[in-house]
Amino acid sequence: KQEVTQIPAALSVPEGENLVLNCSFTDSAIYNLQWFRQDPGKGLTSLLLIQSSQREQTSGRLNASLDKSSGRSTLYIAASQPGDSATYLCAVNNFGNEKLTFGTGTRLTIIP
Amino acid sequence: KAGVTQTPRYLIKTRGQQVTLSCSPISGHRSVSWYQQTPGQGLQFLFEYFSETQRNKGNFPGRFSGRQFSNSRSEMNVSTLELGDSALYLCASSRGTGDLYEQYFGPGTRLTVT
Repeated sequence: KQEVTQIPAALSVPEGENLVLNCSFTDSAIYNLQWFRQDPGKGLTSLLLIQSSQREQTSGRLNASLDKSSGRSTLYIAASQPGDSATYLCAVNNFGNEKLTFGTGTRLTIIP
Repeated sequence: KAGVTQTPRYLIKTRGQQVTLSCSPISGHRSVSWYQQTPGQGLQFLFEYFSETQRNKGNFPGRFSGRQFSNSRSEMNVSTLELGDSALYLCASSRGTGDLYEQYFGPGTRLTVT
């Protein structure tokens, strides 16, 4: 059974710093991995999707990497801003279908 | 292009009642998935519908059911509500075909059971 872990559960950093969020998964036979952000009480916003054949994906200040063999993915946020404050979730697709297994999330606070 | 919409946004129900939630996917998307989010269990997959057929199912009791209509809109029903059903219910849509399976989520329905 796939298990997805995100450490730390919460992170506070001063504005302007670069930061890395971690995601690990137990079953490396994944189809793809997706990073989301969730603002309090709201739905999920898709940030990046990495297919199993890819090593990384970039969108603006965000860069996500994937190392299937070690069961790890990282989300790098450059030059953090207060608007980046949210909970970040990674989700693994194991079966080449729509079922996602989610991590527990990292609650990020950017201090102005 | 309009995003995924869910109605209602908030619901308060009493134990033992039943509830129906609605989800309209992004235009052109034929797959709709439902998730339950609670502080204790996080996000858990309920089921997925594609072309009016349930294609995938999570580990939830039979009180949780769903359906999909010919226009890809989906409804989720929970019967005999329990206090533990209080949660944010999210639906997600995707094309349902091809090889990307990228999911787009709606704003959710907050269900409170008293």
